Amino acid sequence: GAVVSQHPSWVICKSGTSVKIECRSLDFQATTMFWYRQFPKQSLMLMATSNEGSKATYEQGVEKDKFLINHASLTLSTLTVTSAHPEDSSFYICSARESGLARNIQYFGAGTRLSVL
Amino acid sequence: AQKVTQAQTEISVVEKEDVTLDCVYETRDTTYYLFWYKQPPSGELVFLIRRNSFDEQNEISGRYSWNFQKSTSSFNFTITASQVVDSAVYFCALTLSSGNTPLVFGKGTRLSVIA
Repeated sequence: GAVVSQHPSWVICKSGTSVKIECRSLDFQATTMFWYRQFPKQSLMLMATSNEGSKATYEQGVEKDKFLINHASLTLSTLTVTSAHPEDSSFYICSARESGLARNIQYFGAGTRLSVL
Repeated sequence: AQKVTQAQTEISVVEKEDVTLDCVYETRDTTYYLFWYKQPPSGELVFLIRRNSFDEQNEISGRYSWNFQKSTSSFNFTITASQVVDSAVYFCALTLSSGNTPLVFGKGTRLSVIA
């Protein structure tokens, strides 16, 4: 299947710093990528839909100024957690959709575990 | 709006037992896709299967099989002769086929296979 690379896999930072997470589709182009957040023992919660060349669409309750999304190319989307605080500690997962009538499958990155001290 | 329900929160089985994970979905659209993903302890979601709403044919892949029934809006997943490596959280998900709609996930079922 298609490969989605997410980096870093684990980050620890001090409160108040910003953290950037990258999501790359390695062998296909993705006009749309998705960012999810997952708390321990819970399901994935969609944060935003990242569209190449345009602004991201955020889900209700997700602060767009807190979670900055940039989708500058067909293979890269980034999520920046600005001025991170302990409550932002979570597992963040990106996905990219391999488009086309025969596919429409979302492949996921390995996730980024963020710990804010 | 779409909704996916996985009523089983946690299941424990002994190795070599068969186990079925239930998934019930809700949507008013007639064209949609259903998925199953596996999330092992490492956290990465592994794609297992996609099924479109017009294809009710059941599928078997090795020890895995899926039973899609539109009449009951269910898409159940059975693991035959379970193994310890099957221990993971399994998510059922749904997306519409039109536009770039995101996946709607169920809450997941945590499967523990005991040796």
